[in-house]
Amino acid sequence: EVQLVQSGAEVKKPGESLKISCKGSGYSFTSYWIGWVRQMPGKGLEWMGIIYPGDSDTRYSPSFQGQVTISADKSISTAYLQWSSLKASDTAMYYCARFVVVTATIDFWGQGTLVTVSS
Amino acid sequence: QSVLTQPPSVSAAPGQKVTISCSGSSSNIGNNYVSWYQQLPGTAPKLLIYDNNKRPSGIPDRFSGSKSGTSATLGITGLQTGDEADYYCGTWDSSLRGGVFGGGTKLTVL
Repeated sequence: EVQLVQSGAEVKKPGESLKISCKGSGYSFTSYWIGWVRQMPGKGLEWMGIIYPGDSDTRYSPSFQGQVTISADKSISTAYLQWSSLKASDTAMYYCARFVVVTATIDFWGQGTLVTVSS
Repeated sequence: QSVLTQPPSVSAAPGQKVTISCSGSSSNIGNNYVSWYQQLPGTAPKLLIYDNNKRPSGIPDRFSGSKSGTSATLGITGLQTGDEADYYCGTWDSSLRGGVFGGGTKLTVL
């Protein structure tokens, strides 16, 4: 059974750094792209970027380039999303997802990680 | 602001049929497959339709998808109260070189 299990909710202050994780299981982690999707409170889904754990090839959506860093450790089947300096506007639910690039399909989603940034 | 345009809301009575449109351009829908996702309140999205019109295992045939030119449509027949959710279309945008979603459509089953 394919599973993507994300790290737990975080409460941070503006300016702090953060790294959240997404562990894949039940499939070959290095053979599928992993994407990150943001959902701000009461809003829609936004693509942030994707990474191919097999070789760490990473692509960022223009709105998120330079704002976050996507990485992966294939030895432990885990992808990461990190911020160096959080802002209040980063408050959102973040989903990792398995992405089939040939058909641009997200076939499995993580349960989401809620990040709250508040002073 | 979304690259793909969906109506903000649709509604219909139980047992009825509803369609949700998703409009794009030649750089996205026109030349790439479309997927549809269902997000029930308080949960992660779930894949409903992929490759324009295919259903993953476990998705009932009440849900259907189609694509024509730069637009796609999700159809839901035999509406149930449990279908109340937000629905999103998604695809790849070759110009942006990234994935894109529609703004989402809230389905209300009256």
